[in-house]
Amino acid sequence: EIVLTQSPDFQSVTPKEKVTITCRASQSIGFTIHWYQQRPGQSPKLLIKYASQSISGVPSRFSGSGSGTEFTLTINSLEAEDAATYFCHQSATFPPTFGQGTKLEIK
Amino acid sequence: EVQVAESGGDLVQPGGSLRLSCIGSGFTFGDYAVSWVRQAPGKGLEWVGFIRSKDYGGTTEYAASVKGRFNISRDDSKSIAYVEMNGLKIEDTAVYYCTRDRGSYYGDWLDPWGRGTRVIVSS
Repeated sequence: EIVLTQSPDFQSVTPKEKVTITCRASQSIGFTIHWYQQRPGQSPKLLIKYASQSISGVPSRFSGSGSGTEFTLTINSLEAEDAATYFCHQSATFPPTFGQGTKLEIK
Repeated sequence: EVQVAESGGDLVQPGGSLRLSCIGSGFTFGDYAVSWVRQAPGKGLEWVGFIRSKDYGGTTEYAASVKGRFNISRDDSKSIAYVEMNGLKIEDTAVYYCTRDRGSYYGDWLDPWGRGTRVIVSS
């Protein structure tokens, strides 16, 4: 089973700040990482697929990069509505696995 | 609008059974795989299982933690997927999400997700 480790677990940030969340895989998975946002009390929402591919309707301040074992989700110019927990997810092999999540708090 | 919606969550005793349903709308349900993902209270996301579309055999895959106890099926004529949960344990307590899986034979990115249905296993 591929283990995904996100860092940091928690971050308190101010609006307009740039945020970077990292997801490391226990073995190489190419580009098969996807990112989701889960706002409090809501279900997860797809943000980025295949490491860097954008999703229709998702604000352009969200972007992804990386390959192999290290991946990054970047949020440029953070907004108050971005307060949420962010998860990475790999679909390279069964079973699919998720990172433990990174909680963003907006100051 | 493409949507999925779960139902069937309940309070059940340890060892009991429950069937959850997931109905899709706004897309041709039978053309897609479906994954179930759960989230225990205050915890992260855990993949539960997956059912392929009929084009890929309609076969299933399960997490080790539920294999042999959970069974996923689908009725494409009704645009519904099910997860039959037997031998429920306290650690199965979670919100269960249904999601359209964009994979074919293997899983892939998940979109959209339903609002979830809560399962509580307690005596």
